[in-house]
Amino acid sequence: AQKITQTQPGMFVQEKEAVTLDCTYDTSDQSYGLFWYKQPSSGEMIFLIYQGSYDEQNATEGRYSLNFQKARKSANLVISASQLGDSAMYFCAMRDAIFNKFYFGSGTKLNVKP
Amino acid sequence: GAGVSQSPSNKVTEKGKDVELRCDPISGHTALYWYRQSLGQGLEFLIYFQGNSAPDKSGLPSDRFSAERTGGSVSTLTIQRTQQEDSAVYLCASSFRAWAGGPYNSPLHFGNGTRLTVT
Repeated sequence: AQKITQTQPGMFVQEKEAVTLDCTYDTSDQSYGLFWYKQPSSGEMIFLIYQGSYDEQNATEGRYSLNFQKARKSANLVISASQLGDSAMYFCAMRDAIFNKFYFGSGTKLNVKP
Repeated sequence: GAGVSQSPSNKVTEKGKDVELRCDPISGHTALYWYRQSLGQGLEFLIYFQGNSAPDKSGLPSDRFSAERTGGSVSTLTIQRTQQEDSAVYLCASSFRAWAGGPYNSPLHFGNGTRLTVT
């Protein structure tokens, strides 16, 4: 069964505006970790932000924040004040407790317009 | 410190030939993954090694694909009798193992990939 769902294959956002990239996950575990990665056109995979299942506060890293809604099993990435350099593919991932394995979503391609 | 190293960075091969792709994970990382990524597409899971446990080979697309990890460190992905549809970027990633009751915040660290072109 698919563990991670990213329903937005592509998105556009105007420069300096905020954007939310959706991610839902499926697990029966109580302990897990949620991650977001950025992949620019250069191809490198860049780790952005982490949220633990027991963390009560939403994670933030600079302009990135993770809107974690545990009951809904969603872990949306919010990018504030978008920049042209934010144009990239973004992947949501979950690490499960049983197999200690990472599962990735299909990605969202974000284009920031000047 | 050193990151995940993959070699070669580019490989062009003729259809039907065998290829070997190498991955050197970050020292101390017990988990190692191989993924395949076609242009503009997502990550296709291939295989997962975790310490001394039997690898999870559930993502290997055919018996032409195999991988091994020697001494819990370096890994080699082998593709036999390559086909044109094997052309893609092959990414390797490694991480520490998270432990029960502990944090799961150790991220996956990715290499820069090997771009395989089968002509």
